[in-house]
Amino acid sequence: DSGVTQTPKHLITATGQRVTLRCSPRSGDLSVYWYQQSLDQGLQFLIHYYNGEERAKGNILERFSAQQFPDLHSELNLSSLELGDSALYFCASSGGTGLHQPQHFGDGTRLSIL
Amino acid sequence: AQKITQTQPGMFVQEKEAVTLDCTYDTSDQSYGLFWYKQPSSGEMIFLIYQGSYDEQNATEGRYSLNFQKARKSANLVISASQLGDSAMYFCAMREGRLGNQGGKLIFGQGTELSVKP
Repeated sequence: DSGVTQTPKHLITATGQRVTLRCSPRSGDLSVYWYQQSLDQGLQFLIHYYNGEERAKGNILERFSAQQFPDLHSELNLSSLELGDSALYFCASSGGTGLHQPQHFGDGTRLSIL
Repeated sequence: AQKITQTQPGMFVQEKEAVTLDCTYDTSDQSYGLFWYKQPSSGEMIFLIYQGSYDEQNATEGRYSLNFQKARKSANLVISASQLGDSAMYFCAMREGRLGNQGGKLIFGQGTELSVKP
């Protein structure tokens, strides 16, 4: 158990819809990262928050947004969903942004767009 | 641009034998970190081992060790005494030292699927 909690584990929805993925980091971790894993793109970094502030953006679509709340949990919002958004979405947390600090991943949310 | 290459899409190993999973990386930074993760068929990502670019000793964690060859830009994972439970996808990842607008993101390779035979 990594200590990172992601909900829901599975999500099935239709094109054009909007969903929210939730992440609770490990106790004490200030950094939250979101990644997308798909068969064609592999594991791709989406966005990083540190203590409530956005630190970096990767290949995140404009239809996607995220935030980190004062209690440090984070949400990833995906809107106007397309078939190609079907993927496994991971949240990871770490104590900071130091090189030596591993990112601990949640179990992921598997999103299926029908 | 930073890049991770794992050239072995799939590998087989006999139970109790050792196996090496290859990883090469490309970066212009002097300061970086290298990580290996395991992803079983159930989907979760499990952190295995870390190697810093300035570490002189190869990292070890139980049955896992990292064969770090800086000049060759390689960071191969060695699993000793393979077990059936080691069957999984293994990902090599890198994190660069300079943050700037990159944050602390990990760049992943495409992964190697390891199958352990009884």
